[in-house]
Amino acid sequence: DAGVIQSPRHEVTEMGQEVTLRCKPISGHNSLFWYRQTMMRGLELLIYFNNNVPIDDSGMPEDRFSAKMPNASFSTLKIQPSEPRDSAVYFCASSSRDPRAGYTFGSGTRLTVV
Amino acid sequence: GQQLNQSPQSMFIQEGEDVSMNCTSSSIFNTWLWYKQDPGEGPVLLIALYKAGELTSNGRLTAQFGITRKDSFLNISASIPSDVGIYFCAGMNYGGSQGNLIFGKGTKLSVKP
Repeated sequence: DAGVIQSPRHEVTEMGQEVTLRCKPISGHNSLFWYRQTMMRGLELLIYFNNNVPIDDSGMPEDRFSAKMPNASFSTLKIQPSEPRDSAVYFCASSSRDPRAGYTFGSGTRLTVV
Repeated sequence: GQQLNQSPQSMFIQEGEDVSMNCTSSSIFNTWLWYKQDPGEGPVLLIALYKAGELTSNGRLTAQFGITRKDSFLNISASIPSDVGIYFCAGMNYGGSQGNLIFGKGTKLSVKP
């Protein structure tokens, strides 16, 4: 398996622009997580899906952030409009039916909003 | 909400030295995991612990699930330069089909050759 695949690896955008981050989880995993990592806050859970259904989005910072999972093999995290304080590394992770086996993370998308 | 305190925040050691780091929680977990993050990559699972008192090894790494269920420890023996990275602890209370990982803020390890 190729693991969790995220795209793009790097994104530089201007303030006010829409940003879409993409994730392909591991085939057969039924849970998907979006995290944001910054120096100040560490790893923050933004939202997670179970069987393509959003379960907990309490970590989504504002209405500017939205996430979708239209099918078991694809998810997007959208920021509209983007702001400089959104600059961070965004990770997608997936897990099997037994989450105690841990989450498998993608390589992340480094977002810079200027 | 649940919080994990991971210490130390950073460590600078000489190659060959042993390393110890720990994680404490304000509440009980029934699963502890340790991850390592290399620069520019996502965290990778190193060791998983499922029972209080459990001691598990993965090569030069050894982790323990504290008997109070509120802490966990990771030791690295005879460190080498490729051990450089950020080590995260993560705890979970798994019940039924639900369980979310709570991550510590990480211990940044630097190894001097």
